[in-house]
Amino acid sequence: ETVLTQSPATLSLSPGERATLSCRASQYISDYLAWYQQKPGQAPSLLIYDTSNRATGVPSRFSGSGSGTDFTLTISSLEPEDFAVYYCQQRTTFGQGTKVEFK
Amino acid sequence: EVQLVESGGGLVQPGGSLRLSCTASGFTFSSYWMHWLRQAPGKGLVWVSRIKYDGTYTAYADSVKGRFTISRDNAKNTLSLEMNSLTAEDTAVYYCAREWSGWAYSWGQGTQVTVSS
Repeated sequence: ETVLTQSPATLSLSPGERATLSCRASQYISDYLAWYQQKPGQAPSLLIYDTSNRATGVPSRFSGSGSGTDFTLTISSLEPEDFAVYYCQQRTTFGQGTKVEFK
Repeated sequence: EVQLVESGGGLVQPGGSLRLSCTASGFTFSSYWMHWLRQAPGKGLVWVSRIKYDGTYTAYADSVKGRFTISRDNAKNTLSLEMNSLTAEDTAVYYCAREWSGWAYSWGQGTQVTVSS
């Protein structure tokens, strides 16, 4: 079973800053990776699928990249509503999450 | 608009059973694979189970295999999860999700399951 390791666990940033979140797979997974955003008290929502495709309605400041075992979610300029927890997923496995918090 | 509404959660004793339901609307339910996922308090997301659009294929996480059964009634636009032999480790918010291109694209708001004596 593939293990996904996200880093950092917490990212402390200010609005307007760039956020770079990492997800590393324990084995080759091609481009089969998705990213989800979860705000407190809410269900997760799909942001990025197949490594780099934005889900419907996701702002262009969110982008995904990578392949093989190393993947990145980038938020180019943080908006107040982007402070949340982000999870990567490879089919039946999730990473442990990265919390993006106000600095 | 896609809507998924989970129900059936609650407090159950260890060793007990519970049946969760997910009522779908706003899309052709019978055309989509569906998932159950869960999230324990303060923890991350865990995939639980998946079912093909016609109900002919199912898959389960190892942690629930043999105890949980996923099913669907396409005539009633309803997804179900029968949970048996529940333990404290099954305490979580349970979400149903509609799959698209292999991913959990649309999620319900979840239903809380608490296993405690």
